[in-house]
Amino acid sequence: DAGITQSPRHKVTETGTPVTLRCHQTENHRYMYWYRQDPGHGLRLIHYSYGVKDTDKGEVSDGYSVSRSKTEDFLLTLESATSSQTSVYFCAISFKPPLPPFEQYFGPGTRLTVT
Amino acid sequence: AQRVTQPEKLLSVFKGAPVELKCNYSYSGSPELFWYVQYSRQRLQLLLRHISRESIKGFTADLNKGETSFHLKKPFAQEEDSAMYYCALSGRTNAGKSTFGDGTTLTVKP
Repeated sequence: DAGITQSPRHKVTETGTPVTLRCHQTENHRYMYWYRQDPGHGLRLIHYSYGVKDTDKGEVSDGYSVSRSKTEDFLLTLESATSSQTSVYFCAISFKPPLPPFEQYFGPGTRLTVT
Repeated sequence: AQRVTQPEKLLSVFKGAPVELKCNYSYSGSPELFWYVQYSRQRLQLLLRHISRESIKGFTADLNKGETSFHLKKPFAQEEDSAMYYCALSGRTNAGKSTFGDGTTLTVKP
């Protein structure tokens, strides 16, 4: 499992509340990613990080922010949760950048429901 | 822009039958292509990488640059192959970011 954990694993929250999801890795990988998985949309990249305090937006970043103050932790925050953010969120790390191949290894996922 | 298309959302075959999951891509440079698999309620895991030209669990995939395809094949499907399969593309110059297809759910019937 490449030493990747996510917390919480399940969360139910109300519309308008802030939510923070945590991704933790134990193997000092530089590159980390947050995806959301939705039926009919596959996996879509929300944000990614290429080092401590270095982050950038993915294709569906609106309504999300991230922080990476330590190599091992990558936090995803929903500032004000909406029902459209109900999804399964996966964290991933990449072993090899900047040299290919850029295969990714995934955490177990967090199932978030916004009511 | 990079794009991955998996034309089949659902695919159903009988045990022992051949299976092919289609993947087409669009990318202007030299792509790195992968197949990931997700068994029920588990994390995604890497199945194949094109650069290795390997066979994992009986699956193979060949990169066809002329047709911009990377189809996943297995000659004799097993019930334990039932899962969601994602094709993914990563470019060499984009910080290791991957673009995923929408996925194909494979069901292998007994």
